[in-house]
Amino acid sequence: DAKTTQPPSMDCAEGRAANLPCNHSTISGNEYVYWYRQIHSQGPQYIIHGLKNNETNEMASLIITEDRKSSTLILPHATLRDTAVYYCIVRVADSNYQLIWGAGTKLIIKP
Amino acid sequence: GAVVSQHPSWVICKSGTSVKIECRSLDFQATTMFWYRQFPKQSLMLMATSNEGSKATYEQGVEKDKFLINHASLTLSTLTVTSAHPEDSSFYICSASKTGDGAFFGQGTRLTVV
Repeated sequence: DAKTTQPPSMDCAEGRAANLPCNHSTISGNEYVYWYRQIHSQGPQYIIHGLKNNETNEMASLIITEDRKSSTLILPHATLRDTAVYYCIVRVADSNYQLIWGAGTKLIIKP
Repeated sequence: GAVVSQHPSWVICKSGTSVKIECRSLDFQATTMFWYRQFPKQSLMLMATSNEGSKATYEQGVEKDKFLINHASLTLSTLTVTSAHPEDSSFYICSASKTGDGAFFGQGTRLTVV
C-alpha cells in the first residue's frame, strides 16, 4: 500500500500558484519525499524530491513540515500544460527500491 | 535530468502473437529497471523488478512465463508479452533508477491486442 495520502482532485486558475498537499505520517527517517506527475497517456515525469529541507527547482517548490509528516508541492504560476495527475511518493534514496504509487491528485488548471 | 527511452510508443497486435517492448537509459547506467502496467484511470501497478544480469523479480499475480523480462545490459531491459490476449491491452511503462536522483520513466507503450 502507498504510504501517502493525497486529495483525489484539485482545480487551480491559470497563472495562480497551485498548492498540492500530501500526508505521509508514517515516513521513516531515511525516506525522501518524491513528486512525479503524469500527463495523460505519457510516462511519469520527475518533479522534485526532498528529505527535510525545503527544495526549489525550475519546475516547483517542495515544502516539508518540520515533523516531516506532510508536504506541499507548489507550482508557482500554473499553466494549462500543468494539468496532470500528481503523485507524492516516499522512498529511500540511493536505493533501487520500487516506487509504490497511490492514486495521486488530478490537478486541473482552468483558464 | 536522466533520459529513459521506451519503444515502441504504441503497438497493435493480433491475439496470440508476442510483442517486445524496449526500455533504454540513454545517458546513465541503470542496474535496476522496473516495469509497470497501467489500466485506464488507474495508478501504476508494478509488474516486475529487473536487475542487470539476473532474473527479474515478479510481483504477486504477474505471470513470469507470460511477461518475459530480459535485462542484458546496464542500459537496456526488454519486456515481451507472449501469446497476447485482449485483456493484456494496457499502458506499459518502464523506469530506471539513477543513484541519488531517483527513478526516471519512459514515455510508455500503449498495447492494443485485437
